[in-house]
Amino acid sequence: KQEVTQIPAALSVPEGENLVLNCSFTDSAIYNLQWFRQDPGKGLTSLLLIQSSQREQTSGRLNASLDKSSGRSTLYIAASQPGDSATYLCALRDGGSQGNLIFGKGTKLSVKP
Amino acid sequence: NAGVMQNPRHLVRRRGQEARLRCSPMKGHSHVYWYRQLPEEGLKFMVYLQKENIIDESGMPKERFSAEFPKEGPSILRIQQVVRGDSAAYFCASSPSDTRKLFFGSGTQLSVL
Repeated sequence: KQEVTQIPAALSVPEGENLVLNCSFTDSAIYNLQWFRQDPGKGLTSLLLIQSSQREQTSGRLNASLDKSSGRSTLYIAASQPGDSATYLCALRDGGSQGNLIFGKGTKLSVKP
Repeated sequence: NAGVMQNPRHLVRRRGQEARLRCSPMKGHSHVYWYRQLPEEGLKFMVYLQKENIIDESGMPKERFSAEFPKEGPSILRIQQVVRGDSAAYFCASSPSDTRKLFFGSGTQLSVL
């Protein structure tokens, strides 16, 4: 059974720092992996989607990497800003499912001005 | 192009009542997914539907829960005889196919008194 783990559960950094959020999974047979942002009381915003054949994706200050062999993905945020404060969720679609995503519990990020 | 629309945003029910949660997917999207987020937990898959068909309901409780996505109108998640343990945020997502990125709504917060 596929399990997705995100460490740390919470992270607090000063504004301007570069940071890395981690996501690990137990079964490397994944179809794709998606990083989301969730703001309190709101829905999820998709940030980056990495197909299983890709190694990384970039959007602005965000870079997501995927290493299937080690069962890991990282989300790199450059020059963090207070507006980046949110919960970041990692979710993957494994090779055995038809459409559903398996989510980690998220990392709650707080960027202090 | 409006995003995924969920209503109501907040729903309060007493134990034993019925709860109906609605989801209108993005225009052009024929795949709908329902997820539940319990306090301090990650999102858990419930059901995956296409128009008039349930594709995967492996995450749905066997009793009291049902979902539909009719030819016309929104997808409905129905919970009969609600109990306090049903209190959670229910999120709907849609995609244009079963392999593409998912777009999430803002969720319905169900509170059972």
